[in-house]
Parts: sequence; structure tokens; C-alpha cells
Amino acid sequence: ETGVTQSPTHLIKTRGQQVTLRCSSQSGHNTVSWYQQALGQGPQFIFQYYREEENGRGNFPPRFSGLQFPNYSSELNVNALELDDSALYLCASSDAGWDTQYFGPGTRLTVL
Amino acid sequence: AQRVTQPEKLLSVFKGAPVELKCNYSYSGSPELFWYVQYSRQRLQLLLRHISRESIKGFTADLNKGETSFHLKKPFAQEEDSAMYYCALTNYGGSQGNLIFGKGTKLSVKP
Repeated sequence: ETGVTQSPTHLIKTRGQQVTLRCSSQSGHNTVSWYQQALGQGPQFIFQYYREEENGRGNFPPRFSGLQFPNYSSELNVNALELDDSALYLCASSDAGWDTQYFGPGTRLTVL
Repeated sequence: AQRVTQPEKLLSVFKGAPVELKCNYSYSGSPELFWYVQYSRQRLQLLLRHISRESIKGFTADLNKGETSFHLKKPFAQEEDSAMYYCALTNYGGSQGNLIFGKGTKLSVKP
């Protein structure tokens, strides 16, 4: 069984740029959720994808967008980066929307 | 408002002492509660969830709906329990499972 993987591990961008983060879900899982974890905080829900459709969204602006592909891997795109977007971005996969979520190692994004 | 509160940022105990990590929640639906743990340099991983009623690594947690709490307990702490612990909830059986996390408690077990 392959666990959740994320790429890249670290990323440095400047304000105003765009970024794409990638996630491969655990084998057999059809649901992917994305979270933002700022320093000293718990993860905060961005959105969830189930079978290629958005299945819920947290309190994040539209410049945070995503995709899920037929193999259930996923991308998180952030446009017009702001300094406050600096955080650890976590991807989690699950077998259903509300089932146990298994997390990837995260991508550390720094916006200068 | 849906919220998970972990009142302690840091909890420090000696090896062999009992541990209780507090978690209180505010939720209007039927919550499913979880404890996730993050050991140093490792990913966030599930420790236990209420519906499973399992004891993992000697930890247990009881859901108290009256007090809206889901405290994590272990009778005898070990040094390897030192980690960051997050309490989280979701809507049990709902169509989507956005986890709501607390801010976490750092547990330090001293020798």
C-alpha cells in the first residue's frame, strides 16, 4: 500500500506569483482534501475533491483552486500569492468524504 | 460556531506519570472525533477515532457529549509519546469530511 505523497517538499515564491502543489493519494482512495497549516496553528480546511468534483470548501478566497484527476491525484493552485500564504500545505486522502483521512508529509511554501 | 479547543499549548510530564490532553468542541451536528499525532519529522497520523473505540499505544479517549469533551488519556507516559497532538472533528456520516482541528498540544515526556 502506497501512502500519500506530495511535491515539492519546499517552495519559495514572491508576492504576486502563482504556485501549483501536487498530491498523490493513497492507493484505493478516491477523496482528497487540502489543508493549510500556519505556524503554531492546527491545519485549516481549504477544500475537498471526490471523484474529480469539488465536495466542500472552507473559508478561503477563490484564488485558491484545485483539481482532481482520474487517477485521484490532485493539485492545489494559488494565484496572486500573498505573504500570509506562507504555510505548510497538507494533502490528505480517504476512502470517502467523511472517512479517516491519511496525510501526506506536506509542502512548505514561503512567500517573500 | 464549529470549533475545537485545546487549552494547553504545552504539557510537560515525567516518564511513568499519567497524561491527559484536553479537547473541548462546539458542533451542532453529529460529530465524529479524532486524535491525530505528529512525531518529530514525521507526518500527521491518526492516533485514534471515537467510533473505533480502540486503545492505541495505550491511549484512550472518551466522548462526553454533556461536557462536549474528548480528552486523551494515558495512565503511564513514555518518552516516545513526546509529540504534537491535535484533536479534530468532522460530521459523522456526512457527504463531506472537512476536519476541524484544534491548535494542538505539545506533549513533552521527561526521563
